[in-house]
Amino acid sequence: NAGVTQTPKFQVLKTGQSMTLQCAQDMNHEYMSWYRQDPGMGLRLIHYSVGAGITDQGEVPNGYNVSRSTTEDFPLRLLSAAPSQTSVYFCASSYDVNTEAFFGQGTRLTVV
Amino acid sequence: RKEVEQDPGPFNVPEGATVAFNCTYSNSASQSFFWYRQDCRKEPKLLMSVYSSGNEDGRFTAQLNRASQYISLLIRDSKLSDSATYLCVVNLSPPGGGADGLTFGKGTHLIIQP
Repeated sequence: NAGVTQTPKFQVLKTGQSMTLQCAQDMNHEYMSWYRQDPGMGLRLIHYSVGAGITDQGEVPNGYNVSRSTTEDFPLRLLSAAPSQTSVYFCASSYDVNTEAFFGQGTRLTVV
Repeated sequence: RKEVEQDPGPFNVPEGATVAFNCTYSNSASQSFFWYRQDCRKEPKLLMSVYSSGNEDGRFTAQLNRASQYISLLIRDSKLSDSATYLCVVNLSPPGGGADGLTFGKGTHLIIQP
């Protein structure tokens, strides 16, 4: 029972590089979201999707893009990495916006 | 402004003691409330949902006070394994309103001491 799978678990980028964080869920959840977690800041919503083909911005969307071509996958793209994007990133999915969110194991990203 | 506020702690509690946390939220129309647990360098995991009538799961009891806009978590007979960060989670969007989902508090750090 995989749940929410995130890859990679760790990543180091140089400033200006781009990359994609992968997220997949096998629970047929419509709602998926990306958060970043920084010390003292808690979890902050980056982008979310209420279903395939639909995405929207959260609290801190700048510097990130998302797409939702299938129900299962919700990748997060960093367009041009900056040191301020050093963080732990979590993908989550849920049946809908009001129900329990299941999290992936997280990606620890360092931008140097 | 949408807010979920928690005391960050740390709460240092002897094993076997009872400890309680509160969390306040800003939107009186919020409908969904949860407590999550997060261990160091791990993902958050659901501890329990919080219902209007309150709910209990073993040593854990959660309560909702709509009038004062807070939820609480009570842990009885605390164990060393209860050491973690406890996140208060609320859907601050009004019913039928925005779909930006759950808002997480910054967490309360609990340390159970032997």
